[in-house]
Amino acid sequence: RKEVEQDPGPFNVPEGATVAFNCTYSNSASQSFFWYRQDCRKEPKLLMSVYSSGNEDGRFTAQLNRASQYISLLIRDSKLSDSATYLCVVNTQTGGSYIPTFGRGTSLIVHP
Amino acid sequence: EPEVTQTPSHQVTQMGQEVILRCVPISNHLYFYWYRQILGQKVEFLVSFYNNEISEKSEIFDDQFSVERPDGSNFTLKIRSTKLEDSAMYFCASKGFSGNTIYFGEGSWLTVV
Repeated sequence: RKEVEQDPGPFNVPEGATVAFNCTYSNSASQSFFWYRQDCRKEPKLLMSVYSSGNEDGRFTAQLNRASQYISLLIRDSKLSDSATYLCVVNTQTGGSYIPTFGRGTSLIVHP
Repeated sequence: EPEVTQTPSHQVTQMGQEVILRCVPISNHLYFYWYRQILGQKVEFLVSFYNNEISEKSEIFDDQFSVERPDGSNFTLKIRSTKLEDSAMYFCASKGFSGNTIYFGEGSWLTVV
């Protein structure tokens, strides 16, 4: 069964800390990768896409290692408002179907 | 910013009743999805819809479920005879022809009693 695996956490860190989340996926045909953020009882919202060369958006850095089928998200200088669940999403296209598959999510709690 | 809208935001229904959840995807999008999330669990794929037909469905999407795009704007999920275990947040999502990002609605919280 094709899966996206994440450490569920929770990661409990102080403000200002750097925290890293990892994700592995089992389908080598997967084509695009994302990190979404989900607040409690809210919809998932796109945080950032993940590119092979790695990409950065402010305090957030995403990395992809296709050979190891591994994705990471690094958050620097954590803010209280970063507290949320971070979802790893892997898209695979087969024929006309384009199916995003979600990991279980990693919970982050940033405390004062 | 264009967004996916869902109604109702919350519905309570009795076991065995039919439920229809409605979604208006982003207007120029071509791929449509329903996902569900049982409280405390992962976001699970139910069904994808493209070119006016189901393109993929999961094992969760059994004969009790159906989808329809009746008028070119709405995308509905029908649960024919609800069970207690159907209680979950149901998210509609859509994707454009180009680009890989899917956008989610705010969800419809279904409680079956």
